[in-house]
Amino acid sequence: NAGVTQTPKFQVLKTGQSMTLQCAQDMNHEYMSWYRQDPGMGLRLIHYSVGAGITDQGEVPNGYNVSRSTTEDFPLRLLSAAPSQTSVYFCASSYFTGGDEKLFFGSGTQLSVL
Amino acid sequence: TQLLEQSPQFLSIQEGENLTVYCNSSSVFSSLQWYRQEPGEGPVLLVTVVTGGEVKKLKRLTFQFGDARKDSSLHITAAQTGDTGLYLCAGLGFGNEKLTFGTGTRLTIIP
Repeated sequence: NAGVTQTPKFQVLKTGQSMTLQCAQDMNHEYMSWYRQDPGMGLRLIHYSVGAGITDQGEVPNGYNVSRSTTEDFPLRLLSAAPSQTSVYFCASSYFTGGDEKLFFGSGTQLSVL
Repeated sequence: TQLLEQSPQFLSIQEGENLTVYCNSSSVFSSLQWYRQEPGEGPVLLVTVVTGGEVKKLKRLTFQFGDARKDSSLHITAAQTGDTGLYLCAGLGFGNEKLTFGTGTRLTIIP
């Protein structure tokens, strides 16, 4: 049982480059989300989706795009990377039981933007 | 924006000691969760509390949700080196579809 799979594990980009962080889950979860984790700031929500074809912005959406064409996949795109986007990124999914949301996290992508 | 402040930010204690970490907010939450995160991994859910005043125990860990549903605490009895990690609280607002995470407490248990 793979759960939530994120790729790549590590990535180094130059300022201005673009890339896509991949996230896939095999638990048939409706809800998927992307967080970034920075020291002393906990996890901050970037974008989330409550089902295929539906996405919405979280707390820190600027500089990131998402799409949800299938239930399983929720990629995060950086169109023009900036040093401020250096962070650890986590994808998460849940059943979305409407009040008792239990998030399952991937193992993260450590991104450095030079 | 709902904010969750955790204290202390860092805690280092000897194995066998007891400790308490706190999660505080000015906002009211419908439920509150605690996660533990180890280096190089994503957070893993430990417990969810949903009723004001609720106390849940998970072996040596005791979780409490404040009566007003604005705060929570995690108490660890007789800490072990395996308890080392980053502890995160997360609150779910009423009518919200997303969790708000706290700032985290990094716990180190010294053998």
